[in-house]
Amino acid sequence: GAGVSQTPSNKVTEKGKYVELRCDPISGHTALYWYRQSLGQGPEFLIYFQGTGAADDSGLPNDRFFAVRPEGSVSTLKIQRTERGDSAVYLCASSSTGNNSPLHFGNGTRLTVT
Amino acid sequence: QQPVQSPQAVILREGEDAVINCSSSKALYSVHWYRQKHGEAPVFLMILLKGGEQKGHDKISASFNEKKQQSSLYLTASQLSYSGTYFCGTPVVPGTNDYKLSFGAGTTVTVRA
Repeated sequence: GAGVSQTPSNKVTEKGKYVELRCDPISGHTALYWYRQSLGQGPEFLIYFQGTGAADDSGLPNDRFFAVRPEGSVSTLKIQRTERGDSAVYLCASSSTGNNSPLHFGNGTRLTVT
Repeated sequence: QQPVQSPQAVILREGEDAVINCSSSKALYSVHWYRQKHGEAPVFLMILLKGGEQKGHDKISASFNEKKQQSSLYLTASQLSYSGTYFCGTPVVPGTNDYKLSFGAGTTVTVRA
């Protein structure tokens, strides 16, 4: 079946602009996660959804970052007033439940802020 | 606090074995292992949930020593397809099976013919 789909695959934006990154999880997966991966590092947790609600957004670095999942399926990560330090690969993952379920990652969106 | 992986990189010939270690300064109830090939998504390998538990995935196996707060991943008779970066992930909240994971910096494995 289809895996986790992320769009766009690449996004180049200017400093100060607003961007939206989209994630379409595996059908039926209730848990959805956003991670951020910088070059040479492991994924870093940003936010976790169980259904429609953000169960845990403690990993969001500041209030420029926001994510929604209005119907419990597709999620959008929104970044306002982008900074060069936001450049990274943003990974979305979904799982069938929460704790200790394997994460199924998408291929990520490579964000470059110039 | 993220787990510490060692070594950072390893180069193998086909058929050779390797061990990747993952250590935490905090109590562990679970360890997750993923492999990521260049430009691709991380792919799940296995989760170890109990101290002493060992699991296998093809000729890749892992052990979990809860007392030592560490896990080891064993690549046996390595194949070219084993090349990639291996990440261990441990719960951000120590001593739990929490859903959010903290990943190590990764171990890059290169298998040559």
